[in-house]
Amino acid sequence: AIPLTQSPSFLSASVGDRVNITCRASQDLDSTLAWYQQTPGKPPKLLIYYASILQSGVPSRFSGSESGTDFTLTISSLQPEDCGNYYCQQYNRYPLTFGGGTKVEIK
Amino acid sequence: QVQLMESGGGVVQPGRSLRLSCTASGFVFNTFAMHWLRQSPGRGLEWVAIIWDDGTSKYYADSVKGRFTISRDNAKNTVTLHMINVRVEDTAVYYCAKAVARSGFNGYVADWGQGTVVTVSA
Repeated sequence: AIPLTQSPSFLSASVGDRVNITCRASQDLDSTLAWYQQTPGKPPKLLIYYASILQSGVPSRFSGSESGTDFTLTISSLQPEDCGNYYCQQYNRYPLTFGGGTKVEIK
Repeated sequence: QVQLMESGGGVVQPGRSLRLSCTASGFVFNTFAMHWLRQSPGRGLEWVAIIWDDGTSKYYADSVKGRFTISRDNAKNTVTLHMINVRVEDTAVYYCAKAVARSGFNGYVADWGQGTVVTVSA
């Protein structure tokens, strides 16, 4: 299995702040990484796939990038509705694996 | 729109069996692979199993291999997870999810059910 290390595990930021969440893979993923947002009581919601492709309907303040085995989810201007947990997931090979999650809170 | 409705969760004793079902609508069911995933506070988000659109290929997480079986009925638009010899660590919310392809290629997930809770406890 390909482990994914996500950081930070928790972040608190103000409305309008730029926020970065990082996901590090143990090997090259050939861009096969997705990002999800989850709010309490709901299933995860796909934000980005293939490291940087925005899922239809997702606000443009969300973006993804990669550098080698490091992947970053950026929220360019944090909004109150962005509170929740964020997860990365690799689909380069089975078993599919997820990062440990990042909880985002508004200050 | 895509709708996925899980059922069958509940409380089960360790070592017993449970069958989860997922009924799908809003898309051509027999042209997409289907996943089961689960989530628990202790294990986080965990992929469990996938079955190809025609049911010919199935893959499992090591943690459930030999105990869980995924199957589908394309005539009834349902996918099932049969769980045997369940363990305390199988306690989780179980999600049914639609793949984006006929096979397991491109394993990101855009469509999830609301989940069904499985609690394994004596």
